Amino acid sequence: GESVGLHLPTLSVQEGDNSIINCAYSNSASDYFIWYKQESGKGPQFIIDIRSNMDKRQGQRVTVLLNKTVKHLSLQIAATQPGDSAVYFCAENNNDYKLSFGAGTTVTVRA
Amino acid sequence: ETGVTQSPTHLIKTRGQQVTLRCSSQSGHNTVSWYQQALGQGPQFIFQYYREEENGRGNFPPRFSGLQFPNYSSELNVNALELDDSALYLCASSQPDRGNNYGYTFGSGTRLTVV
Repeated sequence: GESVGLHLPTLSVQEGDNSIINCAYSNSASDYFIWYKQESGKGPQFIIDIRSNMDKRQGQRVTVLLNKTVKHLSLQIAATQPGDSAVYFCAENNNDYKLSFGAGTTVTVRA
Repeated sequence: ETGVTQSPTHLIKTRGQQVTLRCSSQSGHNTVSWYQQALGQGPQFIFQYYREEENGRGNFPPRFSGLQFPNYSSELNVNALELDDSALYLCASSQPDRGNNYGYTFGSGTRLTVV
């Protein structure tokens, strides 16, 4: 069945370093992927998305990589800042407007 | 442009009671989706409403029901509350027929505690 999961539940990173958050998905028919950031007491906030016809997409300080061969998705955050501390979710969509979320990775930025 | 607003922010109910949660969609969005997020988990899709009709449903029992109104706002109703219904309930609005990211915008959620 469908599942979207993250490799590691927690990630501790030094301020200024780059962060890499990984996600594995099992539905090869998925055609759209989104990364969300969720801070305490708030709803998920859109970070970046990528369609299945792309391998890489860049935003401001963030890059998403998609490897369809191994069904793997990653989010790279450059020069991690204290404000990046949050829970990060990957979500998958299969053209039906329903998002399937993984369990999340908690990122803690050390000063 | 206003975002998605949900009410109430927190709620405590007793097992067996009924609850209604409310969501106002972002301006220009005509679709509302509801998600349940248990502590430490990712959000789980409950259902989606488009043009006042249910447009898809996740693996939730019939005691979870909803409504969408002509102004695109929505309600989530849960009957016969169970302890496991304790969670953060998220509403997301979107405009699926434009944009390239489905434009999902989430509210801050309603924290429901069932005791």
